[in-house]
Amino acid sequence: DAKTTQPTSMDCAEGRAANLPCNHSTISGNEYVYWYRQIHSQGPQYIIHGLKNNETNEMASLIITEDRKSSTLILPHATLRDTAVYYCIVRVNTNAGKSTFGDGTTLTVKP
Amino acid sequence: DADVTQTPRNRITKTGKRIMLECSQTKGHDRMYWYRQDPGLGLRLIYYSFDVKDINKGEISDGYSVSRQAQAKFSLSLESAIPNQTALYFCATSDLGLAGGPLFFGPGTRLTVL
Repeated sequence: DAKTTQPTSMDCAEGRAANLPCNHSTISGNEYVYWYRQIHSQGPQYIIHGLKNNETNEMASLIITEDRKSSTLILPHATLRDTAVYYCIVRVNTNAGKSTFGDGTTLTVKP
Repeated sequence: DADVTQTPRNRITKTGKRIMLECSQTKGHDRMYWYRQDPGLGLRLIYYSFDVKDINKGEISDGYSVSRQAQAKFSLSLESAIPNQTALYFCATSDLGLAGGPLFFGPGTRLTVL
């Protein structure tokens, strides 16, 4: 599975949009982009995923560049409860167990 | 109600003891996984099961065994616990039938081996 690169940490003001980038320049055509987050030591929480089209759900939006080499997770109105480690993962759909959770981005939402 | 539950949530044990961590799910998923998380090492896959009759080793299976008792239950055993197995353990499920197959995690078990 393709490797991803994320910034180590980011800050965001409460109520503003949080834009978390992810680079995955070696992504293959059949690999999806997944985003999870982990709040403190809780179990990671699935947020959103996509193949090549932009996606939106009740939690976030996912913007994937046309060449698919990078993506951005957008939390439209960040709250203090969104403070967490965010993981960007690239993998094929046939085996979720092949998900590689690296260091992720620590997002701190500040009042 | 939680879809993926783990018991116990916290456990302290001694070196050499046998420990079992249990995972149950009500999501109806066929696939279940066990991960461990250590500071600075991310999540690492221990074992996974695609159905009741299927068990597969992950990247760090040594020192662990698993049992898939039913579609909804997947247990992880440490036959003889050692201190470097002190970690946060997560169970997860997925369903290939869903478009995409995301992982859904339990709340975790914090295991300390003295």
